[in-house]
Amino acid sequence: DAGVIQSPRHEVTEMGQEVTLRCKPISGHDYLFWYRQTMMRGLELLIYFNNNVPIDDSGMPEDRFSAKMPNASFSTLKIQPSEPRDSAVYFCASSPQGRDEQFFGPGTRLTVL
Amino acid sequence: GNSVTQMEGPVTLSEEAFLTINCTYTATGYPSLFWYVQYPGEGLQLLLKATKADDKGSNKGFEATYRKETTSFHLEKGSVQVSDSAVYFCALSDWSSASKIIFGSGTRLSIRP
Repeated sequence: DAGVIQSPRHEVTEMGQEVTLRCKPISGHDYLFWYRQTMMRGLELLIYFNNNVPIDDSGMPEDRFSAKMPNASFSTLKIQPSEPRDSAVYFCASSPQGRDEQFFGPGTRLTVL
Repeated sequence: GNSVTQMEGPVTLSEEAFLTINCTYTATGYPSLFWYVQYPGEGLQLLLKATKADDKGSNKGFEATYRKETTSFHLEKGSVQVSDSAVYFCALSDWSSASKIIFGSGTRLSIRP
């Protein structure tokens, strides 16, 4: 099994640009989670999906952030426009059952200049 | 609401020392408890878990016992190695957290040769 796949692994962009992060969950997993990790705020849950439907987006910081899951094997997290304070490592995780073990991807390190 | 409180870091030990990282929790029901580990540059991965009171989770020489009476799930290892240097997260899930896992703030562990 390839595990959770995220792309790109590193992204450097300038303030105001649109950023799209991508995630492929483990096949057969019904739940997909997006997290953000920073030194100051630690690990934060942004949004999660069950069977491609967004269930809880209360962690999305503001309207500049949006997430979609068009099918069971693909999800995107978009930031438009990006700001320097969005710089962080963004993780995608999937789970076969919501309250059980989550499998994390390697993360995307985003730097907004 | 549900929460996890874990020992502040960083923790620095010499190789072969005994390790304890404290974790206590607050939950409305009977949660499942987890320890995740994050190695440098990687995503989180499950280290061990316990699903009911008095269960002991173990993996890679690490152990943690689910103590309902003290609402604790402390992580221990008898003899740490340099390769154990990482950030350790205590976490819980139960019915009231929907399908989410609630993570602690993480404890950074550094092992000196």
